Parts: sequence; structure tokens; C-alpha cells
Amino acid sequence: DTEVTQTPKHLVMGMTNKKSLKCEQHMGHRAMYWYKQKAKKPPELMFVYSYEKLSINESVPSRFSPECPNSSLLNLHLHALQPEDSALYLCASSQVVATNEKLFFGSGTQLSVL
Amino acid sequence: GESVGLHLPTLSVQEGDNSIINCAYSNSASDYFIWYKQESGKGPQFIIDIRSNMDKRQGQRVTVLLNKTVKHLSLQIAATQPGDSAVYFCAEIVGGTYKYIFGTGTRLKVLA
Repeated sequence: DTEVTQTPKHLVMGMTNKKSLKCEQHMGHRAMYWYKQKAKKPPELMFVYSYEKLSINESVPSRFSPECPNSSLLNLHLHALQPEDSALYLCASSQVVATNEKLFFGSGTQLSVL
Repeated sequence: GESVGLHLPTLSVQEGDNSIINCAYSNSASDYFIWYKQESGKGPQFIIDIRSNMDKRQGQRVTVLLNKTVKHLSLQIAATQPGDSAVYFCAEIVGGTYKYIFGTGTRLKVLA
């Protein structure tokens, strides 16, 4: 199984809502990532988890809250988002956090904030 | 031909022809490079990688060339097929860091 599975595929939320994005991988990878991708732009790194611990936070606003409950799961909790947060949110994993590691991406959650 | 503007750079090629997608990377200390393919509605998919101690690597129908002198990376696709239509991103990792730096992307359109 070489898949990274993300749910939901699409999400529409109001600015006062609280929602969560979920990501799951069963490749035994110990590094997991959240990326944000705006239309026609490259992915931008948000967070990196290594062995279930947050190792990189790219100065992401606190309305985005990541969580890694175990080595297979990664969540992104959303609260009080702004319309400019509308984007494709991609989860990725790699064996470990290291140079020369390939990232495996999920299909993403397309988020619209109204 | 290739066009650059407010939209993604686009490369249009005839089916069966070879495609060359170029990428200028930013950091001379980068020592690992990857090409990703992203189809509409999907996440990026790994195509091929190359380390900085190499200048060429071949896969199935794809070849990556690395020119460190001018910080240039290219992806060659042989006998381009309709299924190759997608956006292609190059990504670099600076040695000692774990952060991918993605290029701006190129849209490949395969004409029947």
C-alpha cells in the first residue's frame, strides 16, 4: 500500500466554523507533512511531524492546529478561518525527515471558506 | 511552444514528440532534486529524482538532467502521450535541511 489518504476531498466552511482535515498512511512512514497549495501555485510547507512530534512550523497562523495522534494519522484542525485560507490542503509522508527522502502526497482536501 | 505570463507557463507538444520541461533552481547548496507530476484534482506524484553528484538519471520514458554550473534542471519525456498532460513541478532540497523548495510549475499540454 503506497497511498496517502485524505478526507474529506472537499470542504466548505464558514468563518466561525470548526472543522478538521484527516490524513492516513500505512507505509510505516515516520514523517508527515501538511502543505497548502493555491491555484496555479506550487505547494507551500506548513508543518512537519517527525516520529509524531512537531518539528517544523512554518510560521502558520494559530487558526491552523496540527495534531499527530499516532504514526499513521495526521489531522489539521481549522478554526476561525479567513476566505484567503481557501486552498488545496495536501498531506504527505516520507520514511523519515531527511535530505534525499521522497514525499508521497495524498490527493488533498479542497477547502473553501465563505 | 512555451508561454509565460499571468498563468502557469505552458508547454504544448504534439503526441509522440519529446517534451523538455525546464527549471531554474534557487540555491547552489541544494543537493537533492525531484520532479513531480500533478494532474487536475490530485496531489503531486513522484516521477524521478537526482542527487547533486550526478548530472543525468534515466527512468522509464523520462530523463532528468542537472547542470549545477547554471543551476538548471530539466525533465525530458520521450514519446509524449495524452496521459502526460499535467502540471510538472521541480523541487530542491538544500543540504542539511528537510524543506522542499518547489519551483513555479509548468503545464504540459499534449496535442492529439
